[in-house]
Amino acid sequence: AQSVTQPDIHITVSEGASLELRCNYSYGATPYLFWYVQSPGQGLQLLLKYFSGDTLVQGIKGFEAEFKRSQSSFNLRKPSVHWSDAAEYFCAVGANSGGGADGLTFGKGTHLIIQP
Amino acid sequence: GAVVSQHPSRVICKSGTSVKIECRSLDFQATTMFWYRQFPKKSLMLMATSNEGSKATYEQGVEKDKFLINHASLTLSTLTVTSAHPEDSSFYICSARDILRAGSNQPQHFGDGTRLSIL
Repeated sequence: AQSVTQPDIHITVSEGASLELRCNYSYGATPYLFWYVQSPGQGLQLLLKYFSGDTLVQGIKGFEAEFKRSQSSFNLRKPSVHWSDAAEYFCAVGANSGGGADGLTFGKGTHLIIQP
Repeated sequence: GAVVSQHPSRVICKSGTSVKIECRSLDFQATTMFWYRQFPKKSLMLMATSNEGSKATYEQGVEKDKFLINHASLTLSTLTVTSAHPEDSSFYICSARDILRAGSNQPQHFGDGTRLSIL
């Protein structure tokens, strides 16, 4: 069975500082990997995804993530955070169902707090 | 971009009531939709996979008679919480995949969720 671990429940970062959110996954084959962001009471917005190819993936809002198969990791990074980045971030893994991911398995999320 | 609409966004009802939540893909067709449940300050848990024209596939531990799923068209899936009780209170989110673009590895597109509160 697939699983996702986000080891940091909360992270506090000063505005303008760099950010890295950790994600480790367990999956028997090459996974489909995703990062989503959720604001309070809202749905999920896709930041970026990895299906294959280049292991460094660029997303929206200046985010990027790097797939490292040897470490089973897919960490999310941003060089300079903005106050509007404060939200809940979810890493997710999905199985390849032939053209797209099946139902996703999510990590428990990391709550990002931005200090002025 | 692809848009998934959920309705209602919030519902409050009495214990014992059945509640229907709709998930629509507005600008694309989806043979497959997914229903997730999110408890407060918790992650999302996949409840079931909704397949157009066939029975839904439920995850282990999810009561199919409690959570009825109907996917009657390529743009609409419904989740009905039958005889709802306070423990069913949660945030329910659906997602859908664009079948016409499935070959290009499209991700799921999520709705904005439905906050269900059972009194």
